[in-house]
Amino acid sequence: DVKVTQSSRYLVKRTGEKVFLECVQDMDHENMFWYRQDPGLGLRLIYFSYDVKMKEKGDIPEGYSVSREKKERFSLILESASTNQTSMYLCASSLWGQLGMNTEAFFGQGTRLTVV
Amino acid sequence: SQQGEEDPQALSIQEGENATMNCSYKTSINNLQWYRQNSGRGLVHLILIRSNEREKHSGRLRVTLDTSKKSSSLLITASRAADTASYFCATDGGAQKLVFGQGTRLTINP
Repeated sequence: DVKVTQSSRYLVKRTGEKVFLECVQDMDHENMFWYRQDPGLGLRLIYFSYDVKMKEKGDIPEGYSVSREKKERFSLILESASTNQTSMYLCASSLWGQLGMNTEAFFGQGTRLTVV
Repeated sequence: SQQGEEDPQALSIQEGENATMNCSYKTSINNLQWYRQNSGRGLVHLILIRSNEREKHSGRLRVTLDTSKKSSSLLITASRAADTASYFCATDGGAQKLVFGQGTRLTINP
């Protein structure tokens, strides 16, 4: 079974702190994603990566950065946490699809981040 | 930008009844996927339907796709309490990424 593991289920951080959210997948997937989920807004894509050291901005990249130094690990970084970044963060991975088609995504259990 | 929009936003039915959720999207797609999310957890993939398919079944799930209307529906037959969850459709966002709608929150009452 594919496993996507997020480093924390719950996290509480102070405003201004630098926050690292880690995600590891064990199925050699090329694609990895970070979403945030807020009530009434669904899932919004922050960043995604389709290869080591490659990254592309999603719909809401402001205030975030990412790092993918190894294929299995994709880190989301909040450079200076703010209260409006309090949210559920979901990591996902998928295989590279042929002919540009996307494939089934596997999700981690989510990290509920509270910034106080 | 969100590609898919689910309808209704919330649905409450009795156990044993069928549940139907709809998804509309804006631009042409290669495929459409449905996911389920139990409260406070990650999403689980349910089914993928390609743009050249009109209907697909998986157990008690039936998905239809109408590319001319840019819409899809998810039917859950003979619902059970364990089906209580949020359901999301996801479409191509270009370049391997998935774009999700806001979801339908389904409650199955015993």
